[in-house]
Amino acid sequence: SAVISQKPSRDICQRGTSLTIQCQVDSQVTMMFWYRQQPGQSLTLIATANQGSEATYESGFVIDKFPISRPNLTFSTLTVSNMSPEDSSIYLCSGRGGPEAFFGQGTRLTVV
Amino acid sequence: GESVGLHLPTLSVQEGDNSIINCAYSNSASDYFIWYKQESGKGPQFIIDIRSNMDKRQGQRVTVLLNKTVKHLSLQIAATQPGDSAVYFCADRMKTSYDKVIFGPGTSLSVIP
Repeated sequence: SAVISQKPSRDICQRGTSLTIQCQVDSQVTMMFWYRQQPGQSLTLIATANQGSEATYESGFVIDKFPISRPNLTFSTLTVSNMSPEDSSIYLCSGRGGPEAFFGQGTRLTVV
Repeated sequence: GESVGLHLPTLSVQEGDNSIINCAYSNSASDYFIWYKQESGKGPQFIIDIRSNMDKRQGQRVTVLLNKTVKHLSLQIAATQPGDSAVYFCADRMKTSYDKVIFGPGTSLSVIP
């Protein structure tokens, strides 16, 4: 199994600012994904992070708001831009090398 | 988009009893199903998976049943323990969609000592 580390684990940010979340996997994975989980709810897929190219975004999510990078097979970043209180959520990174997908512990973001 | 949903949002079970968590999915093209467990403050943890060409798969204390006719998935936990208290998600994946995993709404399992 892969171990996925996210930084920061939590943050409190001012509205209008941006936060970049880092995701590091301890082994090479073919696929990496970013999810959002609002309090008491399920996980919603934001985008698939593609190595060396633009991420593939799900309906309702756009690159200007959630720019994503994936420079290599083990690292990805998600930026939450121009934050508003509605962006307060847990953001989770996921990686998959085989059939299973593994998750980081998440980044709990509070926007004030 | 694709959707996976659950019949019961909460479930309380006496310690030692068996738990059954149900899930309905809507996409006939889904070929792979996964159950995840999420404890408070943690990311989802893989429990067990099943491919669409199977109808049953067993793990340690857990069994997943798949009924493709009615698009229903269930997770059975034998001899439920306090450590099983968590939120359980079913999820599905289609090979044609970059292998992305889509989650259902979740069931909160509470084990009564």
